[in-house]
Amino acid sequence: GQQLNQSPQSMFIQEGEDVSMNCTSSSIFNTWLWYKQEPGEGPVLLIALYKAGELTSNGRLTAQFGITRKDSFLNISASIPSDVGIYFCAGLGNTPLVFGKGTRLSVIA
Amino acid sequence: NAGVMQNPRHLVRRRGQEARLRCSPMKGHSHVYWYRQLPEEGLKFMVYLQKENIIDESGMPKERFSAEFPKEGPSILRIQQVVRGDSAAYFCASSPMVRGSNQPQHFGDGTRLSIL
Repeated sequence: GQQLNQSPQSMFIQEGEDVSMNCTSSSIFNTWLWYKQEPGEGPVLLIALYKAGELTSNGRLTAQFGITRKDSFLNISASIPSDVGIYFCAGLGNTPLVFGKGTRLSVIA
Repeated sequence: NAGVMQNPRHLVRRRGQEARLRCSPMKGHSHVYWYRQLPEEGLKFMVYLQKENIIDESGMPKERFSAEFPKEGPSILRIQQVVRGDSAAYFCASSPMVRGSNQPQHFGDGTRLSIL
């Protein structure tokens, strides 16, 4: 089945630093989604990308849909303590939504 | 807040019992998806339903698991004769349009199932 490779698996950063994480796939997707999950809660949608090459921002978050439709990245600028959580990429195509294994972000104040 | 509502939030069952997990989609959403998440893992698709129809159950085990989304009431994920390996967080998501369209899915806070 389709798989998403998400990296890095975990990150420890200082408050104020920028963060970058990415997702790659061997398959093409029509839509890339980025979710954040905090302990005991469900994933919350951060950004949705619909076109190859699309660059979309949501506050301090910026994500891009790779031109090959097989990858996406998420950047967080000027991180703050509440950015802590697990960030998942997910790809949507002609098959059910496929999730990466997540990037665990820790922010040190 | 008319988000996706799941209950119970936590469910404890003994081996061999039945587990019933409920999900009410967001207002205006007619498509429901169930996912399973093990610790330190991403979410794995189980089943996709519309009202009174199962559209895709390719991710659901063939035995002991069933799902429904009746005309009235919430969607139900049912696990019969539970085993320890069924312990996981089960998430429901909903969307307003069919899978394959550009409508992202919105998730509930999950049911954490523990099997003793």
